[in-house]
Amino acid sequence: QQPVQSPQAVILREGEDAVINCSSSKALYSVHWYRQKHGEAPVFLMILLKGGEQKGHEKISASFNEKKQQSSLYLTASQLSYSGTYFCGTEYSNYQLIWGAGTKLIIKP
Amino acid sequence: DADVTQTPRNRITKTGKRIMLECSQTKGHDRMYWYRQDPGLGLQLIYYSFDVKDINKGEISDGYSVSRQAQAKFSLSLESAIPNQTALYFCATSEAGTAYTFGSGTRLTVV
Repeated sequence: QQPVQSPQAVILREGEDAVINCSSSKALYSVHWYRQKHGEAPVFLMILLKGGEQKGHEKISASFNEKKQQSSLYLTASQLSYSGTYFCGTEYSNYQLIWGAGTKLIIKP
Repeated sequence: DADVTQTPRNRITKTGKRIMLECSQTKGHDRMYWYRQDPGLGLQLIYYSFDVKDINKGEISDGYSVSRQAQAKFSLSLESAIPNQTALYFCATSEAGTAYTFGSGTRLTVV
């Protein structure tokens, strides 16, 4: 079942913060976050594993609420380079991801 | 060299033609995937493979077939291309519990 991402789109000024949510109706094994620029491949940002382990890089953080089966991606002091579409991928068993529909983030100077 | 290489990058083909998209990886990963992405939409899984002898259908496999020639190579074929298969196609690799690495994509147009 496809996870639900919210919001669908957000427009920010450079330096503002954003939160993108990813919710599932089923128990999750892990949540992945990726950013995709127009016409390019998705690029890995973060993995959050059941049990609290977090793997990632860059100046982006995320949380994983196992009770609510929800993950949130936090983008602080946004930069122009943060623009793109953000996808979450949810893993219900250790074999494949189900991708959300994406959240389009536009950063204006 | 890129970790995941897709060829061709762009292709225009006619309705009814057979076409093959190729993917090779240097990550040493066992798991490989083929995705389709339509404009403004998310990723839809076509086929996935967890090792050379393991091939599985994804959510939109009709009209497509795959071949896993080696651990590093995973090809996608459109047996008889139709216009609504016009899309951006991505190959990806991973290991269990790790990040997916995507190729640069193949932009396919069926006329």
